[in-house]
Amino acid sequence: SAVISQKPSRDICQRGTSLTIQCQVDSQVTMMFWYRQQPGQSLTLIATANQGSEATYESGFVIDKFPISRPNLTFSTLTVSNLSPEDSSIYLCSARGASGADTQYFGPGTRLTVL
Amino acid sequence: GENVEQHPSTLSVQEGDSAVIKCTYSDSASNYFPWYKQELGKRPQLIIDIRSNVGEKKDQRIAVTLNKTAKHFSLHITETQPEDSAVYFCAASKDTGNQFYFGTGTSLTVIP
Repeated sequence: SAVISQKPSRDICQRGTSLTIQCQVDSQVTMMFWYRQQPGQSLTLIATANQGSEATYESGFVIDKFPISRPNLTFSTLTVSNLSPEDSSIYLCSARGASGADTQYFGPGTRLTVL
Repeated sequence: GENVEQHPSTLSVQEGDSAVIKCTYSDSASNYFPWYKQELGKRPQLIIDIRSNVGEKKDQRIAVTLNKTAKHFSLHITETQPEDSAVYFCAASKDTGNQFYFGTGTSLTVIP
């Protein structure tokens, strides 16, 4: 299995600012993803973080609002830009393909509150 | 694209009884079906998974069944315990290198 860490675990931000979330995996993985989860809701995929190229965004999510980097096979960042209260949510990163396995493992999440 | 539906959205059972959660998927090319358990405030954790070349898989009190023809799969928890209370998500995926499509979740409550 893969061990995934995220920083920060939580943050409170002012409207109009940005927050960058870091995701670190303890082994090389083929795929990394970023999700948003509202309280009591399912997981909504924001984008697939591609190593060495632009992320692939799902419908309703754009690069200007959610820029993503993935400089190598173990690390990715998600920035939530120009924050508004509607961005308050839990953001989770995940990784698939550790040690050749098919399973997707999740990070602990980042709880974002926008005032 | 793939569409995964999950039922029921909430489920309450008495301790010791069985719980069954069902999911359907739309893309016949999907071949990997994991189930995740998410406790309050925690990350989703994989509890069991099944590939399309297998009809059933069991791990202690947890089992998953897959019907490829009907495109549905189910999670079965026997002898439920209060610590089984959580939200359970099913998912469907194609080969390695593709995203997971998640169901909407089932909130399971086991009543002592």
